[in-house]
Amino acid sequence: DGGITQSPKYLFRKEGQNVTLSCEQNLNHDAMYWYRQDPGQGLRLIYYSQIVNDFQKGDIAEGYSVSREKKESFPLTVTSAQKNPTAFYLCASSMEAGRRLEGYTFGSGTRLTVV
Amino acid sequence: GQQLNQSPQSMFIQEGEDVSMNCTSSSIFNTWLWYKQDPGEGPVLLIALYKAGELTSNGRLTAQFGITRKDSFLNISASIPSDVGIYFCAGQLNYGGSQGNLIFGKGTKLSVKP
Repeated sequence: DGGITQSPKYLFRKEGQNVTLSCEQNLNHDAMYWYRQDPGQGLRLIYYSQIVNDFQKGDIAEGYSVSREKKESFPLTVTSAQKNPTAFYLCASSMEAGRRLEGYTFGSGTRLTVV
Repeated sequence: GQQLNQSPQSMFIQEGEDVSMNCTSSSIFNTWLWYKQDPGEGPVLLIALYKAGELTSNGRLTAQFGITRKDSFLNISASIPSDVGIYFCAGQLNYGGSQGNLIFGKGTKLSVKP
């Protein structure tokens, strides 16, 4: 079955360390997205990529980095520069942005906790 | 950036009650979507709307795309305990490029009345 997989489900990081969250999809979707979710804040866009080897900053990109070397994969690195990284991170994918959206497909999320 | 105003922010339900929530914006949208998120999981698409005035049902859920294209509402009839969760509206401004990205409301949290 096609879907989008995020790993790990739970991640603990020490202050000052970088950490990479994985996101893989086998839906043949062109576009992929990373969102951060905090209680009462809704979904805030970190980065998005509409095509391989290209990505754009979202509303809260500072302290994060991404790569899009393969269509299926869009890993997110939370760097030590991110001042408040503890949050629930969601990855999503969709057909190319130029077409009518059938909606984003979301992964099941990664909960990152800084200890 | 663009904003969607989703209300209410939270509500308590008793089994069997009908539930309503809505989203409004100052901008015109081409697409409205409604998602549900269970605790610790990613949002799942419930209903997609593509035309002004469109009314679409999915079981006990009914959603409408407002005539002005600036609002949408979601109704849940005869609620059951598994309806609890966070409901998000999302809108797409235009097709193509960054304008094709979805904009999300802040969510309506449904809980069971104690």
